[in-house]
Amino acid sequence: QVQLQQWGGGLLKPSETLSLTCAVHGGSFSGYYWSWIRQPPGKGLEWIGEIFHSGSTFYNPSLKSRVTISADTSNNQFSLNLTSVTAADTAVYYCARGLPTSSGWFGSWGQGTLVTVAS
Amino acid sequence: DVQMTQSPSSVSASVGDRVTITCRASQDINFWLAWYQQKPGKAPKLLISSASTLQSGVPSRFSGRGSGTDFTLTINNLQPEDFATYYCQQANSFLGLTFGPGTIVDV
Repeated sequence: QVQLQQWGGGLLKPSETLSLTCAVHGGSFSGYYWSWIRQPPGKGLEWIGEIFHSGSTFYNPSLKSRVTISADTSNNQFSLNLTSVTAADTAVYYCARGLPTSSGWFGSWGQGTLVTVAS
Repeated sequence: DVQMTQSPSSVSASVGDRVTITCRASQDINFWLAWYQQKPGKAPKLLISSASTLQSGVPSRFSGRGSGTDFTLTINNLQPEDFATYYCQQANSFLGLTFGPGTIVDV
């Protein structure tokens, strides 16, 4: 059964860059879409973007100008970079596995990482 | 993007009750709808995909129906472990993935 382990983030200052990495264990990295999703404290879920193992990406238009998702297929990992963070980017960030054909729905999730942006 | 709404925003229920949550999409999404359960401090758990396909290991008291723009999640014989927040998700990537605002099921 696939397991996702994520790390990074923590406490950031406004204008800094958020960086998170998610490692995929116990399952194939190839052939699936991999996504980042976030959840501000006490609020709902927001999809950030996706990457296919080939490297093709698609981002939420509301974040597109600041987001980069990349993959390291040799290590079964993918990463999120979010530039110029503000307090509005404070959230728990999750990595998740989608479907072979598109992100679709997410059957496997990382444990979540709290990122706090404060001066 | 497709906007997702859920109703009610919260529902108070008791063990043994039947609870129905409604999710509506702002445009036709066919069967591209998933339901998740989330408990405090935990990642969401996928319950139902393709509007009505129960995931492996999910109790049969959970069921999903609908297509197009209107969907429902029903929990029969509510159990103590079912008290949680439930989210629907529009799952057609070409339309932009979006989640509903959530429904809290509490005592």
